[in-house]
Amino acid sequence: QQPVQSPQAVILREGEDAVINCSSSKALYSVHWYRQKHGEAPVFLMILLKGGEQKGHDKISASFNEKKQQSSLYLTASQLSYSGTYFCGTEKAGYGGSQGNLIFGKGTKLSVKP
Amino acid sequence: EAQVTQNPRYLITVTGKKLTVTCSQNMNHEYMSWYRQDPGLGLRQIYYSMNVEVTDKGDVPEGYKVSRKEKRNFPLILESPSPNQTSLYFCASSSGQVYNEQFFGPGTRLTVL
Repeated sequence: QQPVQSPQAVILREGEDAVINCSSSKALYSVHWYRQKHGEAPVFLMILLKGGEQKGHDKISASFNEKKQQSSLYLTASQLSYSGTYFCGTEKAGYGGSQGNLIFGKGTKLSVKP
Repeated sequence: EAQVTQNPRYLITVTGKKLTVTCSQNMNHEYMSWYRQDPGLGLRQIYYSMNVEVTDKGDVPEGYKVSRKEKRNFPLILESPSPNQTSLYFCASSSGQVYNEQFFGPGTRLTVL
């Protein structure tokens, strides 16, 4: 079952902030965030694990609320290069941790204007 | 260079003509997946594989087959393509380690007439 992302789209001016949310009805092992530019493959931004560990882009931050199975991606002081579609991907919690089966949301289209 | 490759990148075919899209990774990754991307629907998983000879269905497996005979390769087979399989397809791989980020191939744009 796909995680639910919100908002579906957002338009910003350079320098403004944005928050993208992702929620799941399943108990999660991890949440991933990816950005896709038009016509290109998705690119990894960040991964947040159950238990608090995370790894990712040093200019982007995110949070993972394990109790609510929700994650938020924080884009601060946005730049033109932040434009694209952002996807969250979720891994269900399973025996031994990662099951390697990533399910993506429908995406959030972010447009940053000069 | 660490990468996931897919071939072909673009394909136009006709209904019913069997085709294979190849996917190969050079990172010795355990996990590999196929996704299709359609406007407004995001990335939907077709099949995934946890290791050689171990595969499982994703959310939209109907009309597709996969095989994983070697660790590096994970071809996607459409035995009898139909127009509703017109889509952008991505192959991805991941290590299966704690930080299991996915590396995507460049995509294959398939049109079935």
